[in-house]
Amino acid sequence: KAGVTQTPRYLIKTRGQQVTLSCSPISGHRSVSWYQQTPGQGLQFLFEYFSETQRNKGNFPGRFSGRQFSNSRSEMNVSTLELGDSALYLCASSLASGGANVLTFGAGSRLTVL
Amino acid sequence: QKEVEQNSGPLSVPEGAIASLNCTYSDRGSQSFFWYRQYSGKSPELIMSIYSNGDKEDGRFTAQLNKASQYVSLLIRDSQPSDSATYLCAVNKGTGNQFYFGTGTSLTVIP
Repeated sequence: KAGVTQTPRYLIKTRGQQVTLSCSPISGHRSVSWYQQTPGQGLQFLFEYFSETQRNKGNFPGRFSGRQFSNSRSEMNVSTLELGDSALYLCASSLASGGANVLTFGAGSRLTVL
Repeated sequence: QKEVEQNSGPLSVPEGAIASLNCTYSDRGSQSFFWYRQYSGKSPELIMSIYSNGDKEDGRFTAQLNKASQYVSLLIRDSQPSDSATYLCAVNKGTGNQFYFGTGTSLTVIP
């Protein structure tokens, strides 16, 4: 059974550019969540999508956005990149949306903003 | 105040000893609690989940939850060098899959 697949794994951008990250969840999983991981702040919740609808959104500026497609694949977009956006972006999938569900993480997309 | 707090460590224990990792959370309404392990350069993977007060054992791992004290702990018995990793405590308040993570405790098991 394939795991959570994130692409690209590594990318380098410059300030002001935008970036799109992709996540394919485990087959049958309908919930996809996105997290930002930095050494200082740890893992911080960005947003969750379930059945193509955003269920929750974390405390990030509007430059961070996402969407989910009918096949449960998800993308997140960061516009007008800032140096502070350099981080590991982790996608996690889950069968359903609810507090008791286990998250399975992908390998992450490491973004460096120069 | 952070939602979830952990001692960042580093915590070092000799091989075969018990490692004790602790976590506190701020929202008394939090409903489910998880421990994830993250090896350097890898993504987090689930070790244990616990939902009610008391202990839950799985092999060498025991999770303990005390909702009155808003405290979650993870005990690792017979620690092995392969247990060396960062351990993340995560809490869910029952709002979908929005989890609050601590910044992690770095554990080193010395052979």
